[in-house]
Amino acid sequence: DTGVSQDPRHKITKRGQNVTFRCDPISEHNRLYWYRQTLGQGPEFLTYFQNEAQLEKSRLLSDRFSAERPKGSFSTLEIQRTEQGDSAMYLCASSVDRGRTEAFFGQGTRLTVV
Amino acid sequence: GNSVTQMEGPVTLSEEAFLTINCTYTATGYPSLFWYVQYPGEGLQLLLKATKADDKGSNKGFEATYRKETTSFHLEKGSVQVSDSAVYFCALLNTNAGKSTFGDGTTLTVKP
Repeated sequence: DTGVSQDPRHKITKRGQNVTFRCDPISEHNRLYWYRQTLGQGPEFLTYFQNEAQLEKSRLLSDRFSAERPKGSFSTLEIQRTEQGDSAMYLCASSVDRGRTEAFFGQGTRLTVV
Repeated sequence: GNSVTQMEGPVTLSEEAFLTINCTYTATGYPSLFWYVQYPGEGLQLLLKATKADDKGSNKGFEATYRKETTSFHLEKGSVQVSDSAVYFCALLNTNAGKSTFGDGTTLTVKP
């Protein structure tokens, strides 16, 4: 399977704990995106990488959130001191580096903060 | 800024009925437009796309035409199946790189 892969698929954590999610994009895709989706809503943009450079961050990405893509391949999204409001589906997507092209999404990581 | 407004759901149809899900957008310039589909517990899958005015995107019997004059990209299918039951998202991309803007989704349920 050469699609976008996310790990884990589900994560339950206690409030105040740190969590880290991983995304492996499609191998030839230079662009990588993180989105957050809550129940009944469309995905909301969090951040975007072009190779290893983080080029755009949403104001939704508070200081407790950090994303990295150290070698321009896989990416991690870390949430520190989780809050109940962080419960959501975290979606990763990737695309080729060519104009206004569609993004391909992974299956998402469902985070539940209890 | 960019925004996408979708027809509110849920939409419930009988098998073989005609489907329309309305989508209108606000954007400067000439965005690319997309429809994505999401099945329960899964990520989004691209259903179809259109990159310029009057383009028609089509896939799996679904169609949508990019109408610049009405800033719309309505999704249609002539005969829905039970397997089409899912959430459908309209989206736009207005820059050469960066974020897409999504509507809130429309839930479709098709009954046998």
